[in-house]
Amino acid sequence: DVQLVESGGGLVQPGGSLSLSCAASGFTFSNCAMNWVRQAPGKGLEWVSSVSSSGSSAYYADSVKGRFSISRDNSKNTLYLQMNSLRAEDTAIYYCAKALGGGYFDDWGQGTLVTVSS
Amino acid sequence: DIVMTQSPDSLAVSLGERATINCKSSQSVLYSSNNKNYLAWYQQKPGQPPKLLIYWASARESGVPDRFSGSGSGTDFTLTISSLQAGDVAVYYCQQYYNTQRTFGQGTKVEIK
Repeated sequence: DVQLVESGGGLVQPGGSLSLSCAASGFTFSNCAMNWVRQAPGKGLEWVSSVSSSGSSAYYADSVKGRFSISRDNSKNTLYLQMNSLRAEDTAIYYCAKALGGGYFDDWGQGTLVTVSS
Repeated sequence: DIVMTQSPDSLAVSLGERATINCKSSQSVLYSSNNKNYLAWYQQKPGQPPKLLIYWASARESGVPDRFSGSGSGTDFTLTISSLQAGDVAVYYCQQYYNTQRTFGQGTKVEIK
């Protein structure tokens, strides 16, 4: 079975940094593009970032461009999200999601909560 | 960016009745070279991550009941639940994956009348 397990969430002050991880198992990680999607409390889904299967291409939402960095280690089956210059509006559950096909997200993790507050 | 707009924001349907959710994209998500619509639908129940229901606008994900169907092309799409069950209470999202800046609709909350 596919498993995506996020970790690294927590409470951080505005302007601070946090690094999220997503450990993948149950599929060939190196064949799949990977994504981060977030959901602010009581709000809808917002795509944050994507990385190609090889890690050579990365894409970001305008709201996080220049502050967040996505990466992956295919030898460790792990996806990362480095978040810098965090703002209160970055408070959300962060989900990692796998995209095997044309770009739709066919499996999701349970999410990790990031709270940005002083 | 492609803006996805869903309607209605919420709807209440009696058990066994049909529920229809609409999704409109600000530009076409139909890729002419393969004639595929880059549009997916997700279901999210409270306290759970989203679950893929439909991709390529009308292809049902494995294990999804056939009461869920997707239709439409270009800029206008519909998710239909043919006979609402109690377990279908959830928020439903459309999403385009036509370009590298993926975007979701704002969500439609489906409840029992």
